Amino acid sequence: AQTVTQSQPEMSVQEAETVTLSCTYDTSESDYYLFWYKQPPSRQMILVIRQEAYKQQNATENRFSVNFQKAAKSFSLKISDSQLGDAAMYFCAYRSARKAGTYKYIFGTGTRLKVLA
Amino acid sequence: SAVISQKPSRDICQRGTSLTIQCQVDSQVTMMFWYRQQPGQSLTLIATANQGSEATYESGFVIDKFPISRPNLTFSTLTVSNMSPEDSSIYLCSVGVVADTQYFGPGTRLTVL
Repeated sequence: AQTVTQSQPEMSVQEAETVTLSCTYDTSESDYYLFWYKQPPSRQMILVIRQEAYKQQNATENRFSVNFQKAAKSFSLKISDSQLGDAAMYFCAYRSARKAGTYKYIFGTGTRLKVLA
Repeated sequence: SAVISQKPSRDICQRGTSLTIQCQVDSQVTMMFWYRQQPGQSLTLIATANQGSEATYESGFVIDKFPISRPNLTFSTLTVSNMSPEDSSIYLCSVGVVADTQYFGPGTRLTVL
C-alpha cells in the first residue's frame, strides 16, 4: 500500500525568506500524481501545486515550486518570498494513476508553517 | 476548478442525535468524496459518492453510521448518525474535476456534546 510521510510537524520562516517543506512517499507504481494542499485556519483546503510522475520537469506556480525526485520518492515544496498569508497547514498527497477515475488520495500528516513578521 | 459549498459550516449537537451535511457544486461532477479530519490530524476518506450508485466506503466506515446520498451530479449529503463525542471533527466534501485533481469544500465543523 502507498504511504505518504511528512516528517516536519512544524516549520517557521521569516517573512520574505524561503522555506522548504519535505514529503516522501512509498509506492511500487510508476505512474501517479503528487499534490501539495494548503489549509489555512479557515480550514478550506486549497490546491497549491500538482506534479505528474511521468514529467521530469518540476512544477512551479508563482512563488511555489517543487523538487520532485522520483528515484528517491521525494516531493518537497519550496515557498519563496514567504508572506504572512502563507501561514497554514500544508498537506502532501498521492494519487495513483493506475485506476482510472478513482481519484482516491493518500494524505500525509501535514506540516504547520508559521510565518514570522 | 469548481466552487463547492457546504451546509452547515458548523454545528453543536447532542450525543445520540444525527446531523446531515450538504455539499453543493457549481458544475456537474462524476465523483464526490467525503473526508473526516479529526482535531490536529490529517484527512481520512470516509467514502466515495457516485451518482446513481451506492457509495463506496473505506475500511472503518459503515453505511449505517455515515449514510450518503448522491441524487444528482451537483449535490451530495453525508449524515453522521447516532453521534458520540468521538465524531467531533471537521467533515469535508471534495470533487474530482479535471486533471485528476480534487477540489475541496470549506468544511463543516461538528462538535458533539
